[in-house]
Amino acid sequence: GAGVSQSPSNKVTEKGKDVELRCDPISGHTALYWYRQSLGQGLEFLIYFQGNSAPDKSGLPSDRFSAERTGGSVSTLTIQRTQQEDSAVYLCASSLPSWTTGETQYFGPGTRLLVL
Amino acid sequence: SQQGEEDPQALSIQEGENATMNCSYKTSINNLQWYRQNSGRGLVHLILIRSNEREKHSGRLRVTLDTSKKSSSLLITASRAADTASYFCAYTDNYGQNFVFGPGTRLSVLP
Repeated sequence: GAGVSQSPSNKVTEKGKDVELRCDPISGHTALYWYRQSLGQGLEFLIYFQGNSAPDKSGLPSDRFSAERTGGSVSTLTIQRTQQEDSAVYLCASSLPSWTTGETQYFGPGTRLLVL
Repeated sequence: SQQGEEDPQALSIQEGENATMNCSYKTSINNLQWYRQNSGRGLVHLILIRSNEREKHSGRLRVTLDTSKKSSSLLITASRAADTASYFCAYTDNYGQNFVFGPGTRLSVLP
């Protein structure tokens, strides 16, 4: 069956430009997560959506970062006025509800963002 | 930072040998999970162990959890070249407020 998909797979942009990253979760998964992985670093949690509840934005590093999830399915992560330190792989994951009980998160292949 | 820590950061072994990776954490946890990430690929879930469990097996994988020491270990037995990847531990704290990943262990299995 189809897994989590992300687009684009690679994105090169100039400093100061805005970028949008897209995530299509597995059908039926109500929970969706965004993570960032900088080169040589572990994963950094960014934001979490669960159904119609208000998202947990506690991991967003600055107000330049925002995310939406339309219709409880597709999500878009937007980075405004990109900076070179935003260069990383951005990973999306989805799972069934109740993440606190450890529902398996299924990860997409990621979007590699390079800010020049 | 609540980030977990894995050690070693990198591990190189011969095919057929066992590989042991450790993870330490700082908070009280609900569960701990191990993931694998092949180069250029997304994360793959390997195994989950709950805070009331001490050991769990899945194929060639064995995970232990010591909540008194706030540590977990992942053992891969009879390693194969295909096991070459980065391995991450991840956990949620008891409040479910964060899903925290460690920096990972890079495992190289040489044929």
